[in-house]
Amino acid sequence: NAGVTQTPKFQVLKTGQSMTLQCAQDMNHNSMYWYRQDPGMGLRLIYYSASEGTTDKGEVPNGYNVSRLNKREFSLRLESAAPSQTSVYFCASSEGSGGDEQYFGPGTRLTVT
Amino acid sequence: RKEVEQDPGPFNVPEGATVAFNCTYSNSASQSFFWYRQDCRKEPKLLMSVYSSGNEDGRFTAQLNRASQYISLLIRDSKLSDSATYLCVISGNTGGFKTIFGAGTRLFVKA
Repeated sequence: NAGVTQTPKFQVLKTGQSMTLQCAQDMNHNSMYWYRQDPGMGLRLIYYSASEGTTDKGEVPNGYNVSRLNKREFSLRLESAAPSQTSVYFCASSEGSGGDEQYFGPGTRLTVT
Repeated sequence: RKEVEQDPGPFNVPEGATVAFNCTYSNSASQSFFWYRQDCRKEPKLLMSVYSSGNEDGRFTAQLNRASQYISLLIRDSKLSDSATYLCVISGNTGGFKTIFGAGTRLFVKA
């Protein structure tokens, strides 16, 4: 039982490059989330998916797209990376969406130069 | 006013000390309250949920004060291994469910 897994763990991009961050959970959770964490700030929600086939914008969605591929997988895509997207990205999942405990992946450290 | 506010610290305490953190929230309709722990360069993990009646788990006690809109976390007999960042998390349903993470309070426990 791996919980929530994320790939890659580290990535360096040049401005304008694109990439997809992968996330998978094996807990049969309905809801999945993508957050970014910057120094001195709380985790900020980028996008979430309350169930397979649905996605919704969070607090900071600009510059990102997501795909809920199936119940297990939720990917985050940066189409044209910018230095402002340098951050640590965490994927999380929860059984429901109504304030349940969230389980986090180990994070992806992304640097955009 | 931020939706969720925490004292960033750092709190530097000796082993064995008692330390308390508060977290204030602005949305009076908030329904669920949590404390998460985040170790350096690691993911957040749930420490404990916070119930209206308060709850205790070993050396950790969490309280909710709805009237003043804050939650608290008390750590007794601090251990070196308690050194981490403590995040308060508030969830509520106001035009769509929303979970807000505080920026965290850093704790250093010294030998």
